[in-house]
Amino acid sequence: EDQVTQSPEALRLQEGESSSLNCSYTVSGLRGLFWYRQDPGKGPEFLFTLYSAGEEKEKERLKATLTKKESFLHITAPKPEDSATYLCAVQPSGNTGKLIFGQGTTLQVKP
Amino acid sequence: DVKVTQSSRYLVKRTGEKVFLECVQDMDHENMFWYRQDPGLGLRLIYFSYDVKMKEKGDIPEGYSVSREKKERFSLILESASTNQTSMYLCASSGGGANVLTFGAGSRLTVL
Repeated sequence: EDQVTQSPEALRLQEGESSSLNCSYTVSGLRGLFWYRQDPGKGPEFLFTLYSAGEEKEKERLKATLTKKESFLHITAPKPEDSATYLCAVQPSGNTGKLIFGQGTTLQVKP
Repeated sequence: DVKVTQSSRYLVKRTGEKVFLECVQDMDHENMFWYRQDPGLGLRLIYFSYDVKMKEKGDIPEGYSVSREKKERFSLILESASTNQTSMYLCASSGGGANVLTFGAGSRLTVL
């Protein structure tokens, strides 16, 4: 069964304190792994897509990496505005468009 | 700017009522999706559609139906709302060969 597990469920950081969020997945062939950011009361907003092991993508203080079993979202020197829930999703092969989501990691960055 | 618009942000309904949640996208996307989001359970796929008048069941279709009469519009229907359908409902679309989902702002439904 295709499955996505994110850890930790919640993370509190001080401003400037770097850390990583984990997304472990079990899928019958991977077409893509996606990271989204969701602010309270809003829909998820796309951050990154990763397609193959070893791939990395960066955007401001965020960097996403991918291995054959997991992905990490590294947050470098976070700011309070980075506080949000970060969602990981996988698209199994042979499955057009449908994504399987993890439960998310809620990040709080304190000034 | 690319947009997915959900008609109602907040709804309060009574048990047994029929509920319509509407979603419109302006990106000419082929694919449209309805998810529900609950604390501790994440996003779960209810139904999706790859084309007009086509629909496929997701992981939790029980108690729901959908309609896609036009490419840009995808409606979620609760024939007889129940309290366990209280949730945040998210519509999304994708297309053009890319699998990135663009989400609407969500519709928070409370069933009393």
